[in-house]
Amino acid sequence: DVQMTQSPSALSASVGDRVTITCRASQSIDSELAWYQQKPGKAPKSLIYKASNLGSGVPSRFSGSGSGTEFTLTISSLQPDDFATYYCQQYRTYKMFGPGTRVDMK
Amino acid sequence: EVHLVESGGGLVQPGGSLRLSCVGSGFTFSSHWMSWVRQAPGKGLEWVANIKEDGTDKYFADSVTGRFTISRDNAKNSVYLQMDNLRAEDTAMYYCARDCLGGCFDNWGQGTLVTVSS
Repeated sequence: DVQMTQSPSALSASVGDRVTITCRASQSIDSELAWYQQKPGKAPKSLIYKASNLGSGVPSRFSGSGSGTEFTLTISSLQPDDFATYYCQQYRTYKMFGPGTRVDMK
Repeated sequence: EVHLVESGGGLVQPGGSLRLSCVGSGFTFSSHWMSWVRQAPGKGLEWVANIKEDGTDKYFADSVTGRFTISRDNAKNSVYLQMDNLRAEDTAMYYCARDCLGGCFDNWGQGTLVTVSS
């Protein structure tokens, strides 16, 4: 099975900061990776698919990159609405989520 | 606008059964794979099962294989999750999600809570 890790597990940041989250797969998943945002008590929201493609209606401050085993989600300028938990998910072999990265206010 | 609405959650005793339903609207339901994804309290996301557009192919996570079944009724724009022999570790919020091409999820319902406890 493909195992997913994320780093860091949590980070504190301020509005306007550039934020980068890393997701690693235990084996190559090509570009079969998605990113989701989840706020407390809410359903996840799709952000990125196929490693770097922005989902419908997702602000351009979000971007994704990577292929193979290492991927990044970048928020170019953190906004108040972006404080949330972020999950990566591989879909190369079945579907497996990373453990999540919580982004909170510094 | 895509809309997914789950129902059927509740409190059930260990060993019991529950059937979850999800109704989709705002898109051509019969043209999409559909999935169930769950999240235990305070934990991360876990894919549970998915089903092909016409219902002929189904896949399950190892943790639920043999206990859960998935089905759909395209005439009713609905997908179902039949959960049998429930365990305490099945306690979670269950989300219905529309699969995007390849196997990601592009739209999610608001979830229905399943609690397995005596």
